Amino acid sequence: QVQLQESGPGLVKPSQTLSLTCTVSGVSISSTYDYWSWIRQPAGKGPEWIGRIYNSGSTAYNPALQSRVTISLDTSKNQFSLRLNFVTAADTAVYYCAIEGSGGFDPWGQGTLVTVSS
Amino acid sequence: YELTQPPSMSVSPGQTARITCSGDALPRRFAYWYQQRPGQAPLLLIYKYIERPSGIPERFSGSSSGTTVTLTISGVQAEDEADYYCQSADSSGTWVFGGGTKLTVL
Repeated sequence: QVQLQESGPGLVKPSQTLSLTCTVSGVSISSTYDYWSWIRQPAGKGPEWIGRIYNSGSTAYNPALQSRVTISLDTSKNQFSLRLNFVTAADTAVYYCAIEGSGGFDPWGQGTLVTVSS
Repeated sequence: YELTQPPSMSVSPGQTARITCSGDALPRRFAYWYQQRPGQAPLLLIYKYIERPSGIPERFSGSSSGTTVTLTISGVQAEDEADYYCQSADSSGTWVFGGGTKLTVL
């Protein structure tokens, strides 16, 4: 059974960098034909797609966040990571990692709340 | 680009709930539906307009007509009370989610 688990700091100061890691179990990141994605959801709002990475290392980002986002792979640890620079309070959200295939986002990790505050 | 959903709706147990999602690109871009219970991650219910993943009950179905896609829940049960989100892509291929519909089972 494929499972994803997000990890990282729950509190980040304004103007600093948010860094999260998604640990994948049940499948090898380097062997699947799917994409590895990050999605966030502010409280009371719909999800927002942040971006994705393929096992080749190629990436695609939401244009609204592209200037601040980097997604990377660590195949040795079966993990992929998110970095979001220059955060503000508007970046406060639950952050999810998920597998993006031809059949949509499935499965998702349980999510991790990141609060941006001084 | 926006996907528009009604913010809320309510149905009685055993009735049929129809949740709509409107967007200009929907005739050209696949639509997906997710269920999200409080404190949980979204769960994929429908993909490519009408397909249902294994393990999803048959009472969940999807349809499409022009710029509107619909999630239908037949014979609503108390456990179906949740938020429902549609998802599709804009003209550049960026994934977009709707604002969500809160379904209340009376």
